Amino acid sequence: SQELEQSPQSLIVQEGKNLTINCTSSKTLYGLYWYKQKYGEGLIFLMMLQKGGEEKSHEKITAKLDEKKQQSSLHITASQPSHAGIYLCGAPMDSNYQLIWGAGTKLIIKP
Amino acid sequence: EPEVTQTPSHQVTQMGQEVILRCVPISNHLYFYWYRQILGQKVEFLVSFYNNEISEKSEIFDDQFSVERPDGSNFTLKIRSTKLEDSAMYFCASNIESSLLYEQYFGPGTRLTVT
Repeated sequence: SQELEQSPQSLIVQEGKNLTINCTSSKTLYGLYWYKQKYGEGLIFLMMLQKGGEEKSHEKITAKLDEKKQQSSLHITASQPSHAGIYLCGAPMDSNYQLIWGAGTKLIIKP
Repeated sequence: EPEVTQTPSHQVTQMGQEVILRCVPISNHLYFYWYRQILGQKVEFLVSFYNNEISEKSEIFDDQFSVERPDGSNFTLKIRSTKLEDSAMYFCASNIESSLLYEQYFGPGTRLTVT
C-alpha cells in the first residue's frame, strides 16, 4: 500500500529563519495536498499541487512537487510564531481520491 | 467564508454505546468524507460518500460504522457499538468535486472518548 513519509518528524526553528519540510511517497504521486493542524484541532488547507514541477506560494509558504522523486517540499521563509503547528501532507491513493496522510511534521518557532 | 461544521466538539461515551457524529458540509458540495485521527497517529481515511451512497471505504470502516445523509444537509457517522480503540478525533470533509482540482474542506473535528 502507498505510504507517505514526512521528514523531519519535528523541527525547532529560530524565528526569522527559513525551513523546509519534505514529503516522500512510496508510489507515484498523482498530486499532493499540504495542510496545517494545530494540536488537537482541525486541518487547514494550505496548498494543492497537481502536476510534476508545479510550485505554489502563499504568503511566506512555498510548496513544490517533484514527480520523478515522488516527493514534495514545503518551504517557509522568514518563519513567524504563527507558522507553528503540525504540517501534514496528503495524497490520493492510486487514483481513487481517498487521501492517505503522512505522520506530520511538528514545527516549533523559537522567539 | 463557507465552512464545514461538526457537532459535538467532544463526545464521551461508554464502551458498547452507539454514537452519532454530525457534520454539515458546505452547501454546494457533493462529495463527503470521514477521517479519523487517533491521538499522536496519522489521519486515516474512513469513507467517502457521493450521491447518497458510499463510493469508497477503508478497512477500518467495518460493519460497526455507517454513514447517512438524512436530510440533504447533515452528514452523519454512526458507530453502532463503540470500543475503546474508537477513541479518536473524527474529521468530516467535503468538496465540490472528487478531484485534485478542488481542495477538501475539513471541519474542526469531534473528539470521541470511549471509556
